[in-house]
Amino acid sequence: ELKVEQNPLFLSMQEGKNYTIYCNYSTTSDRLYWYRQDPGKSLESLFVLLSNGAVKQEGRLMASLDTKARLSTLHITAAVHDLSATYFCAVDGSGNTGKLIFGQGTTLQVKP
Amino acid sequence: SAVISQKPSRDICQRGTSLTIQCQVDSQVTMMFWYRQQPGQSLTLIATANQGSEATYESGFVIDKFPISRPNLTFSTLTVSNMSPEDSSIYLCSVVRLAPNRGFYNEQFFGPGTRLTVL
Repeated sequence: ELKVEQNPLFLSMQEGKNYTIYCNYSTTSDRLYWYRQDPGKSLESLFVLLSNGAVKQEGRLMASLDTKARLSTLHITAAVHDLSATYFCAVDGSGNTGKLIFGQGTTLQVKP
Repeated sequence: SAVISQKPSRDICQRGTSLTIQCQVDSQVTMMFWYRQQPGQSLTLIATANQGSEATYESGFVIDKFPISRPNLTFSTLTVSNMSPEDSSIYLCSVVRLAPNRGFYNEQFFGPGTRLTVL
C-alpha cells in the first residue's frame, strides 16, 4: 500500500529565511505533485515532477524529486508572508491513472 | 489549467438526508475523480468517475453511500446519501488534462470544492 509522509507538519518561520519541506513515499512512482491550499480554498497546482532528478522552480519555491530515495523536497527561499498556506505533496499510486495519494500536508506560517 | 465548477459551493444539511454535488468541466476529459477532505485533514480519493460505466470506488467507500454519475465527458455528480455528522467535509472533483504551459504533460486540477456541514 502506497503511503506518503510529509514533514514537518507545521512550520513557523520568519520572513527572509529558507526552509525545506520533505515528502517521502513508500512504493515506486514516477509522478509527484505539489499543491498549495489557502484556508477555505481549493488546491492550486504548483509543480508536477515526472522523473528522477527533476527540479522545478517558480519564484521562491523549488521542488525536486529523487525516485531512488522516494523523496521529494519543496524548498522555500527567502520566505514572504504571502507564502503562508498548507502545502501538500501527492503521488500517483496507480501507474499514472490519476489516483493520487496525498501526504498529511505542511502548514506554513511566515511571520513578518 | 482546467476550468472546473462545482455546485453547490457549500450546504448545511440535516442528518439522514442526501445531497447531490455537481462538477462541470470546461472541456472534455477522460479522467475525473472525487476526493474528500475532512476538517483539518488531507485529501482522500473516494472514486473514479467513469464515463459510460459504474464508478470505481476506493477502499472504505461504497456505491450505496456515494453514488456517482458520469453521463458525459464534461460532467459528473456525487451524492452523499443518508448523511451523518461524520460526512461533514469538503468534497472536491478533479480532472486530468494536458497542461501546455508546463510542458504538455498530464496534470491534475481540482475544482473549488463543496463544503458540506451535516447537523
